[in-house]
Amino acid sequence: GQNIDQPTEMTATEGAIVQINCTYQTSGFNGLFWYQQHAGEAPTFLSYNVLDGLEEKGRFSSFLSRSKGYSYLLLKELQMKDSASYLCAVSDSNYQLIWGAGTKLIIKP
Amino acid sequence: GAVVSQHPSRVICKSGTSVKIECRSLDFQATTMFWYRQFPKQSLMLMATSNEGSKATYEQGVEKDKFLINHASLTLSTLTVTSAHPEDSSFYICSARTTDTEAFFGQGTRLTVV
Repeated sequence: GQNIDQPTEMTATEGAIVQINCTYQTSGFNGLFWYQQHAGEAPTFLSYNVLDGLEEKGRFSSFLSRSKGYSYLLLKELQMKDSASYLCAVSDSNYQLIWGAGTKLIIKP
Repeated sequence: GAVVSQHPSRVICKSGTSVKIECRSLDFQATTMFWYRQFPKQSLMLMATSNEGSKATYEQGVEKDKFLINHASLTLSTLTVTSAHPEDSSFYICSARTTDTEAFFGQGTRLTVV
């Protein structure tokens, strides 16, 4: 079956760095997405990786290793507004998005 | 980025009535739209995939007669919750995408059935 694993919850301190991991097992691979979702709101797109390596976008970076079925989202200079759930999703061979359960990130002052 | 508009954002309806939720892609043609349901503190659950001009493909366990999906044009898909009951209360989200782009999400609809 298809499976996406990410930690349920993480806590970090304002100004620090946090890495949220995602491992996947899917039938085919057409890219991996990271989304941010604040409570009660729809997800917003953060990043897309289809090739191995690191994609940097401001304070957020995303890394992919296709051979290991592994990705991480790196958030730097954490701000209180970064408190949210972070969803990892993989596009499978049919371009269907397979979603992880999300990682709730709690930022403490 | 592309914009997907979902309406209404909140709706309260009486048990037994039907509710229609609209999802529009405002600046691109969405060949495929997806409807998700999200329970509190849980991830998105795909309900169905809607392709323009054809019948929607429902995920296992989703009642197609209860959740009617119509994708009448390349910019509009609708989800109708028929004969709603309190257990249908949830957050419903639509998304639209072309084949290999990121999914663009609507704002979501908070449905409360009383």
